[in-house]
Amino acid sequence: AQSVTQLDSHVSVSEGTPVLLRCNYSSSYSPSLFWYVQHPNKGLQLLLKYTSAATLVKGINGFEAEFKKSETSFHLTKPSAHMSDAAEYFCVVTGPGYSTLTFGKGTMLLVSP
Amino acid sequence: NAGVTQTPKFQVLKTGQSMTLQCAQDMNHEYMSWYRQDPGMGLRLIHYSVGAGITDQGEVPNGYNVSRSTTEDFPLRLLSAAPSQTSVYFCASSNIPGQGEDIQYFGAGTRLSVL
Repeated sequence: AQSVTQLDSHVSVSEGTPVLLRCNYSSSYSPSLFWYVQHPNKGLQLLLKYTSAATLVKGINGFEAEFKKSETSFHLTKPSAHMSDAAEYFCVVTGPGYSTLTFGKGTMLLVSP
Repeated sequence: NAGVTQTPKFQVLKTGQSMTLQCAQDMNHEYMSWYRQDPGMGLRLIHYSVGAGITDQGEVPNGYNVSRSTTEDFPLRLLSAAPSQTSVYFCASSNIPGQGEDIQYFGAGTRLSVL
């Protein structure tokens, strides 16, 4: 079975400062990993995806994530936060044969002016 | 380009009532799934399907039924609604891995309240 832990339920940053959202995973095989974003009262949108091609993955809106197998981590970063980044972020790992997705409990990113 | 369409957007039920949440996709995806989202719990898989006529249970299937008679549609049925089923429900679809892009596309959600 696979699992994913998002280490912070809330992260607060000021506009223009770096963003770090932490995610650790557990899997007995080579997983695919995703980050999704959900703005208030909206559906989920894919930010980026890791599938073993490259450990540093670039996504939309300036976000990127680095896969570190030795640390079983897939942290999401952005150099400079924007007010529009305020949303909930989910780290996701796939199951065997991609039959299921396991979601983390989410990290709410708050951006202050 | 509709993508994944969920109806209704909002619904209020009384305990014991039944209803069907509709989900349709126009991307010819084989894989479809239903999740529920509760505060502090992330999204939890209810049921999924890898093609017409094939369904399987996810993490929290109790109280829900699904069927997949066509590739496009994957309705979720609540036979006897309970307050514990108050939640936001998301439908998603994707290709089967190895058969093209396997990114999951989500609908806008159905917000359900059971009184």
